[in-house]
Amino acid sequence: DAGVTQSPTHLIKTRGQQVTLRCSPKSGHDTVSWYQQALGQGPQFIFQYYEEEERQRGNFPDRFSGHQFPNYSSELNVNALLLGDSALYLCASSLARQTYGYTFGSGTRLTVV
Amino acid sequence: AQSVTQLDSHVSVSEGTPVLLRCNYSSSYSPSLFWYVQHPNKGLQLLLKYTSAATLVKGINGFEAEFKKSETSFHLTKPSAHMSDAAEYFCVVSDYRGSTLGRLYFGRGTQLTVWP
Repeated sequence: DAGVTQSPTHLIKTRGQQVTLRCSPKSGHDTVSWYQQALGQGPQFIFQYYEEEERQRGNFPDRFSGHQFPNYSSELNVNALLLGDSALYLCASSLARQTYGYTFGSGTRLTVV
Repeated sequence: AQSVTQLDSHVSVSEGTPVLLRCNYSSSYSPSLFWYVQHPNKGLQLLLKYTSAATLVKGINGFEAEFKKSETSFHLTKPSAHMSDAAEYFCVVSDYRGSTLGRLYFGRGTQLTVWP
């Protein structure tokens, strides 16, 4: 049973560029959440998608946007990249109405130069 | 509002000795609490969870945690550390909402070092 798959694993972007990160949830899961983990910090919630809609959003600017597709996979888009956007971006999937917990992917390491 | 405070940024123990990682939480309502572990260049792995059942929660790899409402604590323990336990540990609280799991609030993490 495949877990959460994220792509790419690493990428380097220039300040001002745009980036798209992708996530395939664990089989059977229908909810996807995105987290940003800066170096030496705990992950911070960006937003959550369920039924192709953004259900909750953390304290992140509108430069951060997302999408969920009918097959439950998701994309995270970041526009006008800043140096401070350099971080590990984690995708977590879960099944709505189940309280067991999230399954996390290994993340995408984004470096903005 | 939900938040967690991990009281130690670094903990060092010798192999075979007990492990104690401390966590205090703040929650507006009955919380769901978790401990996750993160090994280098790996994703987060769930160790255990508390969701208002038994206050002593047993997890994987011999870890357990005790929910103490009066102390708002959820400390993680293991009787005997193993070299493979060296990793970053995160205490997490969730604002579970109805039909979705809700967002997770992470502590800053505790780096566990295990000496041979």
